[in-house]
Amino acid sequence: GAVVSQHPSRVICKSGTSVKIECRSLDFQATTMFWYRQFPKQSLMLMATSNEGSKATYEQGVEKDKFLINHASLTLSTLTVTSAHPEDSSFYICSASWGGSSYEQYFGPGTRLTVT
Amino acid sequence: AQSVTQLGSHVSVSEGALVLLRCNYSSSVPPYLFWYVQYPNQGLQLLLKYTTGATLVKGINGFEAEFKKSETSFHLTKPSAHMSDAAEYFCAAHKLSFGAGTTVTVRA
Repeated sequence: GAVVSQHPSRVICKSGTSVKIECRSLDFQATTMFWYRQFPKQSLMLMATSNEGSKATYEQGVEKDKFLINHASLTLSTLTVTSAHPEDSSFYICSASWGGSSYEQYFGPGTRLTVT
Repeated sequence: AQSVTQLGSHVSVSEGALVLLRCNYSSSVPPYLFWYVQYPNQGLQLLLKYTTGATLVKGINGFEAEFKKSETSFHLTKPSAHMSDAAEYFCAAHKLSFGAGTTVTVRA
């Protein structure tokens, strides 16, 4: 099956610093990647959708200047949390799709971000 | 716009008992529907999906779900719960509107 990896799995950073999270599709070419945020005991909230080679589409209420998304290749997307604050602490999950009509997504294992 | 409603944020079942997780969607057009499972501190794993065709969909780990257009439902069932089924379950519609999730605990 399709495998998606995320790196790092856990990261702790100080307030005001920036953190980059990588999402890779290991055995398929992902035309579309999605970034989600999940708070404890809650559902996933879609942050943005990115297509390879184009700018990401952000959901309403998500600050695009704070959450920078780059989808430079068909196997890699990155999410950079800029000037992180404690309220940015969360579980970030990416997913990838090779398109098609079934909209099936393959999810990464998630990245736990803690901002101190 | 799509929305997905999961009835019951928490379900507790005895080992060996039926697991039933409810999901309803709102859409003017029948969507593609998915059930995912999430174990603690992990990503989501696809259990099963409905796109077109047969309305009873079988997935992994003994789970199945039935798409009922008349009821706008896509409930997930498993005849006999195992301890390993304790997890968070999410119903989702295409373009990935997620339900709020249902936590399943299994009593020995």
